Amino acid sequence: DQQVKQNSPSLSVQEGRISILNCDYTNSMFDYFLWYKKYPAEGPTFLISISSIKDKNEDGRFTVFLNKSAKHLSLHIVPSQPGDSAVYFCAAWRSGANNLFFGTGTRLTVIP
Amino acid sequence: ETGVTQTPRHLVMGMTNKKSLKCEQHLGHNAMYWYKQSAKKPLELMFVYNFKEQTENNSVPSRFSPECPNSSHLFLHLHTLQPEDSALYLCASSQDPGLNYGYTFGSGTRLTVV
Repeated sequence: DQQVKQNSPSLSVQEGRISILNCDYTNSMFDYFLWYKKYPAEGPTFLISISSIKDKNEDGRFTVFLNKSAKHLSLHIVPSQPGDSAVYFCAAWRSGANNLFFGTGTRLTVIP
Repeated sequence: ETGVTQTPRHLVMGMTNKKSLKCEQHLGHNAMYWYKQSAKKPLELMFVYNFKEQTENNSVPSRFSPECPNSSHLFLHLHTLQPEDSALYLCASSQDPGLNYGYTFGSGTRLTVV
């Protein structure tokens, strides 16, 4: 049973515009949510996270929004840059778990 | 340099071969993980080691055999694999498995089983 879902396998955005990547989850016990970014031939790297007690966390061009009632989170990148082109993974964690639960990833392409 | 090094980067093996994947972390972390990434699937946890002890085996077939001789090294021994085992195998580490952020991943080993 997939507990973290990213329903859009790909997204294309013009440089300078906003990129919005979406993630849904099914387990209301998750305490923490993270976004990872992955370039080809590299491992995923941590990007930004949010605690379940917050609804927004911002770090430079990256903002993550959490809607607990909808079990939905999103990553906003503004303005998008060509270097942002990568696969973005949403992940979730709950207390007592040994591991993170990952989504399938969304490939973002930022067009110059 | 990510602090987590995986070798080899690419591996092609026959179904009757025996090979091993290696992971080494230089971050002083206590927990290490093996994940499998197949096309169009989420990253799948395979094994978790905490202070060299295996704390999670996520129903992985016995043809995958992990080994953790110390907190800095993790191996995945492979034998009699199937073509569907072809995937990217990622190693990760963290300070401890209960920490809710900060996995550091290696670059992965791209495995092809022929």
